[in-house]
Amino acid sequence: NAGVTQTPKFRVLKTGQSMTLLCAQDMNHEYMYWYRQDPGMGLRLIHYSVGEGTTAKGEVPDGYNVSRLKKQNFLLGLESAAPSQTSVYFCASTDSLRYGYTFGSGTRLTVV
Amino acid sequence: GENVEQHPSTLSVQEGDSAVIKCTYSDSASNYFPWYKQELGKRPQLIIDIRSNVGEKKDQRIAVTLNKTAKHFSLHITETQPEDSAVYFCAASWGGNQFYFGTGTSLTVIP
Repeated sequence: NAGVTQTPKFRVLKTGQSMTLLCAQDMNHEYMYWYRQDPGMGLRLIHYSVGEGTTAKGEVPDGYNVSRLKKQNFLLGLESAAPSQTSVYFCASTDSLRYGYTFGSGTRLTVV
Repeated sequence: GENVEQHPSTLSVQEGDSAVIKCTYSDSASNYFPWYKQELGKRPQLIIDIRSNVGEKKDQRIAVTLNKTAKHFSLHITETQPEDSAVYFCAASWGGNQFYFGTGTSLTVIP
């Protein structure tokens, strides 16, 4: 039982490149989330999903796209990376908002 | 939507002293309040939570209190130890689609 797994753990991108971050959970959770964490800014919600095939925008969705084709996977895409997207990205999941999130270990992304 | 404010943003205490972190929320419908601890370079992890039908919950050296009337909740850490040094986040939910997080408190325990 791995919980929430994020890949990759580290990545350096050049401005304008694209990439996809993968979040996989093996807990059969309905809800999945992508957050970014910047120094002094706390956790900011990018996009989320309340079930397979659904996605919704969070607080800071611009420049990102997501997909939830399978219940266990939630993908975060950057189509044209910008230095402002340098951050640590966390995925989280839960089966109910009556319980807390389980977070992944994070992806440290640097855009140069 | 819900708005969660957290204070202080930084806190330094001597080892053995107590630490208190406070959060306020705006939506009276919120009924579940988890606290997360994030050690340097690690993921946030749930350490304690409280629901709106109780006023206090304890787990060894940590406790959380909730005042629904005033719409605030607090994390209390007693007999602090160096390993308590971390960033702590509060959150609130009314059972909708997401949690609303505070901006975090960086706690440093000085040996």
